Amino acid sequence: EDQVTQSPEALRLQEGESSSLNCSYTVSGLRGLFWYRQDPGKGPEFLFTLYSAGEEKEKERLKATLTKKESFLHITAPKPEDSATYLCAVTNTGNQFYFGTGTSLTVIP
Amino acid sequence: NAGVTQTPKFQVLKTGQSMTLQCAQDMNHEYMSWYRQDPGMGLRLIHYSVGAGITDQGEVPNGYNVSRSTTEDFPLRLLSAAPSQTSVYFCASSYRTGGGNTIYFGEGSWLTVV
Repeated sequence: EDQVTQSPEALRLQEGESSSLNCSYTVSGLRGLFWYRQDPGKGPEFLFTLYSAGEEKEKERLKATLTKKESFLHITAPKPEDSATYLCAVTNTGNQFYFGTGTSLTVIP
Repeated sequence: NAGVTQTPKFQVLKTGQSMTLQCAQDMNHEYMSWYRQDPGMGLRLIHYSVGAGITDQGEVPNGYNVSRSTTEDFPLRLLSAAPSQTSVYFCASSYRTGGGNTIYFGEGSWLTVV
């Protein structure tokens, strides 16, 4: 069964304290792995798409990496405005999206 | 460019009432879908459409109907609301079907059934 597991469920960081969020997946025929950011009361906002193991993408303080079994979202020197829930999703050859339950990140000034 | 637009933002229904959540996109996307988001459950697919006139069921379709008469619009109908349908609903779209295409979400519709 295709599924996505994110860890930790919640993460509190001091401003400037770098860390990583994990997304483990099992999928029959990975077509893409996606990272989204979701602020309270808002819809998920697209961050990155990764297509194959070894691929990396960066945006400001965020860097996403992909292996054959998991993806990491590295947050370097986070700021309070990075506080949000980060969602991971995968698609298979049938174009079905499978979402994880997210990691709630709080960055304390 | 508005992207994906959902209305209403908030709605309170009584058990047994029916209503329609509206979704429109102005990006000429083929693929549209509806998700519900519940605490601890993540986003779950209700129904999706790969083009005008074509719809299919997702993971949790019971109690919901959809239709796709135009490329732009994909309304979600609750036939007889139940408290279990209290949730946040998101409409999403992508350029075309086929794995790997990014989906873009609307801002959500908060529904409470009492």
